[in-house]
Amino acid sequence: DQQVKQNSPSLSVQEGRISILNCDYTNSMFDYFLWYKKYPAEGPTFLISISSIKDKNEDGRFTVFLNKSAKHLSLHIVPSQPGDSAVYFCAASAAGGYQKVTFGTGTKLQVIP
Amino acid sequence: DVKVTQSSRYLVKRTGEKVFLECVQDMDHENMFWYRQDPGLGLRLIYFSYDVKMKEKGDIPEGYSVSREKKERFSLILESASTNQTSMYLCASSPPSGTANEKLFFGSGTQLSVL
Repeated sequence: DQQVKQNSPSLSVQEGRISILNCDYTNSMFDYFLWYKKYPAEGPTFLISISSIKDKNEDGRFTVFLNKSAKHLSLHIVPSQPGDSAVYFCAASAAGGYQKVTFGTGTKLQVIP
Repeated sequence: DVKVTQSSRYLVKRTGEKVFLECVQDMDHENMFWYRQDPGLGLRLIYFSYDVKMKEKGDIPEGYSVSREKKERFSLILESASTNQTSMYLCASSPPSGTANEKLFFGSGTQLSVL
């Protein structure tokens, strides 16, 4: 039962253009969402997060949008750079209890120079 | 700088062997996690620990156990390795729940091959 879904396994974008990575979730208890970036042979690194009390969070070239009614979030990268080529994981957690983060299946982004 | 260290980068074991994967963090974090990453399946949580000697099952605990005798160290144990446990294993740590920062810090991973 995949509670966090990334339906696009891969995405190719031209350098300088916008990259949009999508994520859907099914568990309405999730209230905190994160994006991680992973390069080959390295562990994932935190990129950006958003709390359910917001609908947008921005950090430099990266913006995450949250649509709670649709249980959907997206990561926008503008402008895309070749160094952004990596696998991006969407993740979610629920408040209360002990922290448990559920990850999606990942989207491999390729930024073409 | 935050650091999570996994003892082995690559490991090759035989079916039926007992396998230990070690993870150490230097951030004094309460929470530690073991995930495995498989193509098309993303990261799946095996076990996590929120305190010394405490452990909780994740989504796929079958065939695994864990040990946390010290705060900085979290071990994953494959009691009898099987070929379907061939995977990339990722250890992570994080501060306690309720803090503003819930992000996980990951190690570089251990690629385990079970033959």
